[in-house]
Amino acid sequence: KNEVEQSPQNLTAQEGEFITINCSYSVGISALHWLQQHPGGGIVSLFMLSSGKKKHGRLIATINIQEKHSSLHITASHPRDSAVYICAVKYFRDYGGSQGNLIFGKGTKLSVKP
Amino acid sequence: EAGVTQSPTHLIKTRGQQVTLRCSPISGHTSVYWYQQALGLGLQFLLWYDEGEERNRGNFPPRFSGRQFPNYSSELNVNALELEDSALYLCASSPGGPQAFFGQGTRLTVV
Repeated sequence: KNEVEQSPQNLTAQEGEFITINCSYSVGISALHWLQQHPGGGIVSLFMLSSGKKKHGRLIATINIQEKHSSLHITASHPRDSAVYICAVKYFRDYGGSQGNLIFGKGTKLSVKP
Repeated sequence: EAGVTQSPTHLIKTRGQQVTLRCSPISGHTSVYWYQQALGLGLQFLLWYDEGEERNRGNFPPRFSGRQFPNYSSELNVNALELEDSALYLCASSPGGPQAFFGQGTRLTVV
């Protein structure tokens, strides 16, 4: 099994709320990416993690390698944070033909209301 | 430093036609990945090129093909277009290892 699972699928928040998006995966990875996709379609890479925690502005990403789980947190959310957030992993080994490429979660659609 | 650039940004084709999409990686990156995001679906891996060679291929029919040039830029070709090929096609480049940098994508509409 090599799926990447994200939760929740959809998330609506009020401006200012603290937001958490979760990602779990099933086998050993070399890295995990958090990506942001706005309605126009382009993808922005937010973080690449292999351990621990990273912070950039109001965004925080954590990863627990033992539990095969990562979270993306947004503090003081704002309507401009509305986007689809995608978790993607690169596996250590070739699982199901995944050699070299990223395996993506289905994304979490975040809508932040003013 | 320029990021990953894709062209065109949008195009419309007729069923049965052929299309070529282009990707220029970040300078110094030798790997290029192509992904398809069909409407309502997640990103699906299409092709991986590294140092001019095809390294891996996703579960797509042979009418999806591509190549990588000596300057590491890449083309994705889709022959005999079908309506379900309508999608956002994303290119990512990497210097190797787990890093990936994405382009803005090409939105293809097949009518």
